[in-house]
Amino acid sequence: GAVVSQHPSRVICKSGTSVKIECRSLDFQATTMFWYRQFPKKSLMLMATSNEGSKATYEQGVEKDKFLINHASLTLSTLTVTSAHPEDSSFYICSARDIRAGTGRNNEQFFGPGTRLTVL
Amino acid sequence: KNQVEQSPQSLIILEGKNCTLQCNYTVSPFSNLRWYKQDTGRGPVSLTIMTFSENTKSNGRYTATLDADTKQSSLHITASQLSDSASYICVVSDGNNRLAFGKGNQVVVIP
Repeated sequence: GAVVSQHPSRVICKSGTSVKIECRSLDFQATTMFWYRQFPKKSLMLMATSNEGSKATYEQGVEKDKFLINHASLTLSTLTVTSAHPEDSSFYICSARDIRAGTGRNNEQFFGPGTRLTVL
Repeated sequence: KNQVEQSPQSLIILEGKNCTLQCNYTVSPFSNLRWYKQDTGRGPVSLTIMTFSENTKSNGRYTATLDADTKQSSLHITASQLSDSASYICVVSDGNNRLAFGKGNQVVVIP
């Protein structure tokens, strides 16, 4: 259990285009999902916290108009990189928090496999 | 500022040998500490989780220790296998469920 998927696993796009990345919790519900980006040999950096049914909370320095987050259901959050530029090329990872009490994994974040974005 | 420092940054070990990875943190208040394994191009996968009262936790050939007084943790890999080649990330959670990530220990196991 506690599987999180991401789609696509990798994407190559032209500069100026928009790219949507999906994050799904497959076997549990997640009112909160998190979006991270990771540069080579660097730690994961939290970009934003996605809350189901409300606006996402962005970390300082992350442009909310550039990185659009939608969390329309308890199992799906999307990150849209708008007008992508080469400097947006990175590894994007989502995680989902299982909030169900009594599962033994209350509040634990489960990570997706990541999406490699390359902007040409 | 909550910080997690890991050492060594990278290491190469022979297949079958043991190794120990170190993690020092300054996160406060402390909730729990997790070690994750991240294969190249993949998301992190949890290996162990320890709370304040736990000193050691094992998961197969992986054994994690925690000294909450000195704010140090270690991950010991026993009888390494080629598939152990990965980045091992120490992640500390504070009382508000925010996570502080280390940069990872890059382990390369060679035959």
